[in-house]
Amino acid sequence: DIQMTQSPASLSASVGDRVTITCRASQSISSYLNWYQQKPGKAPKFLIYAASSLQSGVPSRFSGSGSGTDFTLTISSLQPEDFATYYCQHTYGAPPITFGQGTRLEIK
Amino acid sequence: EVLLLESGGGLAQPGGSLRLSCAASGFTFSSYAMSWVRQAPGKGLEWVSAVSGSGGSTHYVDSVKGRFTISRDNSKNTLYLQLSSLRAEDTAVYYCAKDIGDSYYDHVWRTYRPYFSFDFWGQGTLVTVSS
Repeated sequence: DIQMTQSPASLSASVGDRVTITCRASQSISSYLNWYQQKPGKAPKFLIYAASSLQSGVPSRFSGSGSGTDFTLTISSLQPEDFATYYCQHTYGAPPITFGQGTRLEIK
Repeated sequence: EVLLLESGGGLAQPGGSLRLSCAASGFTFSSYAMSWVRQAPGKGLEWVSAVSGSGGSTHYVDSVKGRFTISRDNSKNTLYLQLSSLRAEDTAVYYCAKDIGDSYYDHVWRTYRPYFSFDFWGQGTLVTVSS
């Protein structure tokens, strides 16, 4: 199975900051990489697919990049509603598809 | 508006069974693959199972193979997950999730597979396995 490793595990930042979260796959997954946002007690929200394509309705301050094994999620200017946990997920090849362990973004 | 509403969670004993349901509305249910994703208390997300739009193709994570069965009734717009031989480690919130499309033929892997990209999720139903 492909392992997904996110860093950092947690991050403190302030409103207006630029934030980058990294996701690394244990083998090349091309661009088969999604990002989700989850707030406490809520279901995940689909943010980015195919590594860099923004899901409809997601603010443009979110962006994704990368291919192969290394990927990043960037929030260009943090807003209060962005404080949440973020998960990467690969969709490459045969199941199982796996998620990263999550990155908790907290208010500084 | 896409809505997914799970039900059927609750307390089960080790070795017991439960059936989860997910009632879907707001889209053409039979045209999309569906998955179940679970989240143990305080933990991350784990994909559990997927089914094609027709119900003819299913996939499972190894830890539930032979114990869980995914199915769908397209006439009722409902997704199911039958949980059997439950273990303490199956304790989690179970989410149903809509895929961005139906299963497709992947020429690289030479198999039909879902996109495994989940654009809508239900609110989740909690399954607790304990004696």
